[in-house]
Amino acid sequence: QVQLVESGGGVVQPGRSLRLSCAASGFTFSSYGIHWVRQAPGKGLEWVAVIWYDGSNKYYIDSVKGRFTISRDNSKNTLYLQMNSLRAEDTAVYYCTRQAVAVHFDYWGQGTLVTVSS
Amino acid sequence: DIQMTQSPSTLSASVGDRVTITCRASQSINNWLAWYQHKPGKAPKVLIYKASSLESGVPSRLSGSGSGTEFTLTISSLQPDDFATYYCQQFYSYPYTFGQGTKLEIK
Repeated sequence: QVQLVESGGGVVQPGRSLRLSCAASGFTFSSYGIHWVRQAPGKGLEWVAVIWYDGSNKYYIDSVKGRFTISRDNSKNTLYLQMNSLRAEDTAVYYCTRQAVAVHFDYWGQGTLVTVSS
Repeated sequence: DIQMTQSPSTLSASVGDRVTITCRASQSINNWLAWYQHKPGKAPKVLIYKASSLESGVPSRLSGSGSGTEFTLTISSLQPDDFATYYCQQFYSYPYTFGQGTKLEIK
């Protein structure tokens, strides 16, 4: 069955870096666009970034442009989110999610918590 | 960016009630809209895609409608498992924005 498993979250000081991973299984990873979505404590869902199936295109929400980089290794069935210059407002649970052929997000991981605090 | 506005933000209802949640887009998104259910500590779950298509395995008491800028999610007869937070999301253009959420509470 389709599985997405995030890892790499933790507590980090403002200005430092963290890399999240999302390990995929149960489907042909190289055929799907994958997104990161986050939820800050007590807040709603926020779309963060996308990478197309072949890595050819990447898009980001304005608040993370220049600080976050999404990438993928199709040989390892793994998605990454490199987060630099972290801020308190980046504190959230980060989910990876698969974009279905019909465009919506059909499978989600359980999320990994990132806490930015001194 | 396209803004998505849901109403109400909170909805109190009882088992067996019929409820409707509305989502408005700041510009036309055709039918590029999905609805999700989210419970604390769990992954969001897609319910409806392309505004009115029911995701496989989702009960038929849920339905979606609308196009352009106004959309609705209706639950015809609330069941205990339906009490959660619901989000709409547009897929017309990046960033793929979500509504702010509607928390469905037990009355």
